Amino acid sequence: TQLLEQSPQFLSIQEGENLTVYCNSSSVFSSLQWYRQEPGEGPVLLVTVVTGGEVKKLKRLTFQFGDARKDSSLHITAAQPGDTGLYLCAGLLRYAGTASKLTFGTGTRLQVTL
Amino acid sequence: GAGVSQSPSNKVTEKGKDVELRCDPISGHTALYWYRQRLGQGLEFLIYFQGNSAPDKSGLPSDRFSAERTGESVSTLTIQRTQQEDSAVYLCASSIDLSYSYNEQFFGPGTRLTVL
Repeated sequence: TQLLEQSPQFLSIQEGENLTVYCNSSSVFSSLQWYRQEPGEGPVLLVTVVTGGEVKKLKRLTFQFGDARKDSSLHITAAQPGDTGLYLCAGLLRYAGTASKLTFGTGTRLQVTL
Repeated sequence: GAGVSQSPSNKVTEKGKDVELRCDPISGHTALYWYRQRLGQGLEFLIYFQGNSAPDKSGLPSDRFSAERTGESVSTLTIQRTQQEDSAVYLCASSIDLSYSYNEQFFGPGTRLTVL
């Protein structure tokens, strides 16, 4: 059972367009992270959201954590070819203060062309 | 170096052979993860080591796969009797898994395994 579903799976857009990637679950997460992976490299953390309803901005990227902490979105404004890559969300489940492993989503592959 | 390192970076092997992949985590990171990533796919969790606790092996796809970790340092992932379906990039990540942290994972560059 996949705890975190991402949509869309693939997205091919032109430079300058806007896009939104969704990460959905039926589970409540104590925090959620977004990573980006470029070809030939490991994923790199972009942001961590912790509070329900929280919005964080990283230049042209806007991340939002759902009010119920079950879902998240990533919005990119005026996409550029450098945004091309695999975007992964990852949720942290924590019980009674103990640490728990991250669960990664299914991934969204973004290609931005000139 | 300060990051997670993996070796070899590329490994080509014949079907039926055993392979060992190595991961050197960031010093001080108590948690270590192995993932498999097939071409164009997301991350498939394999195994998770956390300190001295028993490892979470729930993601290992078959008994041909095993992993060891020495204390809080190096880990090796062993695949016995490799099959062509084992061809993938194997990624290792480490993190500081504490009760008050967000467990950000730091990934190595991966080992690309090709089974002929």
